Amino acid sequence: AQRVTQPEKLLSVFKGAPVELKCNYSYSGSPELFWYVQYSRQRLQLLLRHISRESIKGFTADLNKGETSFHLKKPFAQEEDSAMYYCALSRGGGSEKLVFGKGTKLTVNP
Amino acid sequence: GAGVSQTPSNKVTEKGKYVELRCDPISGHTALYWYRQSLGQGPEFLIYFQGTGAADDSGLPNDRFFAVRPEGSVSTLKIQRTERGDSAVYLCASSRGPFMETQYFGPGTRLLVL
Repeated sequence: AQRVTQPEKLLSVFKGAPVELKCNYSYSGSPELFWYVQYSRQRLQLLLRHISRESIKGFTADLNKGETSFHLKKPFAQEEDSAMYYCALSRGGGSEKLVFGKGTKLTVNP
Repeated sequence: GAGVSQTPSNKVTEKGKYVELRCDPISGHTALYWYRQSLGQGPEFLIYFQGTGAADDSGLPNDRFFAVRPEGSVSTLKIQRTERGDSAVYLCASSRGPFMETQYFGPGTRLLVL
């Protein structure tokens, strides 16, 4: 079975500091990994996915198959980055369901 | 354009009652998903429709839960004999199609079973 682990329930940093939200997964095949974000009083939305290799709002994430990790990073956090972040996995190959981690609440302090 | 919409936004019911939750996907999206999010947890997959048919219903917890999408657009999640443990936010998402298209989420329906 697939599993996504986000070890930090809460993460607090100061504005301008680097931030890393950890995500580890367990799946024996080749998964597709995603980061979703939920800002206060807004709906869940896709932030980025590993196959697109994009940088969105200054965030990047690299899939490390050896460590089965997909950590989300940003070099300089902004107050508007404060939100709930969820890492998710899909098996791909026609299985469309997303398996989510429990989420990390990021607070960026002024 | 309009995003995924869900009604009602909140639903309070009593244990043992029947409830229906509605999802209107983005126009033209053929794939539709239901997830359930309990307090302090990430969304948990329930069921996935491609068109009118349920392509994967492996996440439905038991036979009290049922979902339909008769015309390949609007979907209804039906819960019979509700239990207090069914209290959660029920999320709907849609995507243009299968094969890892981006899933767009609705605002959710918050269900409280007393």
